[in-house]
Amino acid sequence: ELKVEQNPLFLSMQEGKNYTIYCNYSTTSDRLYWYRQDPGKSLESLFVLLSNGAVKQEGRLMASLDTKARLSTLHITAAVHDLSATYFCAVVRMNRDDKIIFGKGTRLHILP
Amino acid sequence: NAGVTQTPKFQVLKTGQSMTLQCAQDMNHNSMYWYRQDPGMGLRLIYYSASEGTTDKGEVPNGYNVSRLNKREFSLRLESAAPSQTSVYFCASGGASGNTIYFGEGSWLTVV
Repeated sequence: ELKVEQNPLFLSMQEGKNYTIYCNYSTTSDRLYWYRQDPGKSLESLFVLLSNGAVKQEGRLMASLDTKARLSTLHITAAVHDLSATYFCAVVRMNRDDKIIFGKGTRLHILP
Repeated sequence: NAGVTQTPKFQVLKTGQSMTLQCAQDMNHNSMYWYRQDPGMGLRLIYYSASEGTTDKGEVPNGYNVSRLNKREFSLRLESAAPSQTSVYFCASGGASGNTIYFGEGSWLTVV
């Protein structure tokens, strides 16, 4: 059974600092998603990672995937208040159907 | 471009009542999903459909039924609503492998 664990679940940090959110999953996967959710809103796609070693960057966010370690990271560089949100990773089982399982999310609060 | 459209946006039900949440996508996607979101639990998969004519159980299917009416539409039915089904429900759809999964705006359901 595919399980997805994120940590930390809650993170409070100062503006200008760097930090990393971790996403571990339990079975082989060839596709991993990162999403952002603002309070009361839907989910916004950030990254789709498709292969081992994949790295994608958008602004102050960078996501990477290590399929051998079954680990993805979302790195935040020089955080700004606008990045305060909940971040989710989601994983698809490799060579199986399109079942997508989400982690519990990391609630990020950036202090000005 | 409407993307993924869910109705209704808000609904209050009495225990034991039934209702159907409707979802439609206009992106010609094969895969469609229903998730529920509860505080601290992330998104949990209720049912999904990898293609027209197929449906499969997710993590929390009990108390729900689904219908993939055609390629565009995927409905979620609560036959006898219970207070434990109070939640925010999200429909999502995705196309070919590697593409992002798009989410609807969400449906806020309260069962009293």
